[in-house]
Amino acid sequence: QKEVEQNSGPLSVPEGAIASLNCTYSDRGSQSFFWYRQYSGKSPELIMFIYSNGDKEDGRFTAQLNKASQYVSLLIRDSQPSDSATYLCAVTWGTASKLTFGTGTRLQVTL
Amino acid sequence: DAGVIQSPRHEVTEMGQEVTLRCKPISGHNSLFWYRQTMMRGLELLIYFNNNVPIDDSGMPEDRFSAKMPNASFSTLKIQPSEPRDSAVYFCASSYQNSPLHFGNGTRLTVT
Repeated sequence: QKEVEQNSGPLSVPEGAIASLNCTYSDRGSQSFFWYRQYSGKSPELIMFIYSNGDKEDGRFTAQLNKASQYVSLLIRDSQPSDSATYLCAVTWGTASKLTFGTGTRLQVTL
Repeated sequence: DAGVIQSPRHEVTEMGQEVTLRCKPISGHNSLFWYRQTMMRGLELLIYFNNNVPIDDSGMPEDRFSAKMPNASFSTLKIQPSEPRDSAVYFCASSYQNSPLHFGNGTRLTVT
């Protein structure tokens, strides 16, 4: 059974701080890694994806991938109250679009 | 681009009734996915289609669930008969080739 694990949270960070969200996966054959953001009552929306070991930056967001340790993380710099949401980690094996999701980490950015 | 369109947005039905959820993928996308989301289990893949053909239905919970994709612009997920444990949010998503998924707004199903 291929699994994706996330701490459910809530993770609480003050406004302006760095939020660090982590995800581990069970299968070394995993190929692609995605972070989705989901606001309460809304659908998941793609934030970032990463395929290779190392860091990938997009604005305030940085995805980090370490295939040897089987984890992927998402850093959010200068956290804003509007970043408060559930962040879903997703992994693919084989077919790039067939995603297996973690249960998500709820992030709360406090004023 | 209108995005992935799902209907209805909300469905309330009684146990034993048939429920049909509908999805229109983004035009030009050739893969379509049905997911179910609950608090306990998160997002679970039920079935996905590639070029209108079901590829993997291993996530369909039981024979009460069925899905069809008669053409590239329409898919249905049917539950017959429905049970209270089927209550969840059902998402449809589509993609082109191996691009990331685009999700619809979901259908919130409540079975009483």
